[in-house]
Amino acid sequence: DSGVTQTPKHLITATGQRVTLRCSPRSGDLSVYWYQQSLDQGLQFLIQYYNGEERAKGNILERFSAQQFPDLHSELNLSSLELGDSALYFCASSHKPRREETQYFGPGTRLLVL
Amino acid sequence: GQQLNQSPQSMFIQEGEDVSMNCTSSSIFNTWLWYKQDPGEGPVLLIALYKAGELTSNGRLTAQFGITRKDSFLNISASIPSDVGIYFCAGPWGGSEKLVFGKGTKLTVNP
Repeated sequence: DSGVTQTPKHLITATGQRVTLRCSPRSGDLSVYWYQQSLDQGLQFLIQYYNGEERAKGNILERFSAQQFPDLHSELNLSSLELGDSALYFCASSHKPRREETQYFGPGTRLLVL
Repeated sequence: GQQLNQSPQSMFIQEGEDVSMNCTSSSIFNTWLWYKQDPGEGPVLLIALYKAGELTSNGRLTAQFGITRKDSFLNISASIPSDVGIYFCAGPWGGSEKLVFGKGTKLTVNP
């Protein structure tokens, strides 16, 4: 158990819909990262937050957005869903946003868009 | 974007055998990470390497940071059934903390 929790574990929805994925980082961790894992693209970095502020952006679509709240939990919002958005979405956390800090991954949310 | 090329894509071995896998990049990395992902779980960090030429062990796992800074190797000795999973190399990219990952090596161990 990494200490990072993600809900829900599974999500099935239809194209065009909007969903929210939730992540609670390890106790004391200030930095949260979101990754998408798909069969064809592998693990891809989406976005990073540190202490409530966006810190880095990766291959995140405009239909996707995220935020980190004062209690440090984070939400990833996916809207106008397409079939190709079906993937595993992982949240990771680290204490500080430094390259030497280990990122601890949650168990992921498996999203299926029908 | 930056890609890490990981090989082999998959391996089927007998219990007790040693395993080697590697990761290469066209760009220099200052940190190399090796993660393992079990089915239905998130990746777990196995070994982190911070210096060119560094050789680090974690039990039966040994990883090396290539001297060119463009490659890394992971070896598993005397494999056991619980070594089954997907092994990923990764590294922080672009002077930031965001990680780029290889496509993974899927390991199957036959008892």
